[in-house]
Amino acid sequence: EVQLVESGGGLVQPGGSLRLSCAASGFTFSDYWMHWVRQAPGKGLVWVSRIKYDGSISTYADSVKGRFTISRDNAKNTLYLQMNSLTADDTAVYYCAKDTWGGPDYWGQGTPVTVSS
Amino acid sequence: DIVMTQIPLSSPVTVGQPASISCRSSQSLVYSDGNTYLSWLQQRPGQPPRLLISKISNRFSGVPDRFSGSGAGTDFTLKISRVEAEDVGVYYCMQGTQLYTFGQGTKLEI
Repeated sequence: EVQLVESGGGLVQPGGSLRLSCAASGFTFSDYWMHWVRQAPGKGLVWVSRIKYDGSISTYADSVKGRFTISRDNAKNTLYLQMNSLTADDTAVYYCAKDTWGGPDYWGQGTPVTVSS
Repeated sequence: DIVMTQIPLSSPVTVGQPASISCRSSQSLVYSDGNTYLSWLQQRPGQPPRLLISKISNRFSGVPDRFSGSGAGTDFTLKISRVEAEDVGVYYCMQGTQLYTFGQGTKLEI
């Protein structure tokens, strides 16, 4: 059974940093691209970033480019999202998701991030 | 960026009756490999999204066959043949042809 468990969310001040983690199990993690997708309170889904199965290629939404960094540790079956220079607009539930051709298939439960002073 | 537009944004439905959601993309979703990367997701209240259908019409593992997808190019439809109470939630279309964008979501309520 595919399982994705996010952690690392919380309350952070504007301008601060946070690192999210996503522990994967139930599939061969090193064979799949992975995604981060976020959802602001009461709003829709917004794709944030993706990373190739070997970590060699990463892509970002314009809204986070230069501030967020996606990475992975295939030995630990873990996906990461380093978030810097956070603003109130980054407040959201962050989901990690496994890729299938054309987008995410399995999703984690999400971890909430609140940016506020 | 490809913009995804869903109609309607809210849909009152009756258990046992059919329901339909439309999704239109601002440009063709046919990828260079010939596939069309249009997916449908369901998000029940308080739950993460769940993939229902990929590549227009392919039901994901465990998805009941009352859900079906159709369409081509820029116009797509999700149909529920007979709505059940557990189908309440928000439905999103998503394109994966040019990075990824989602529709605004359609709230299905009994």
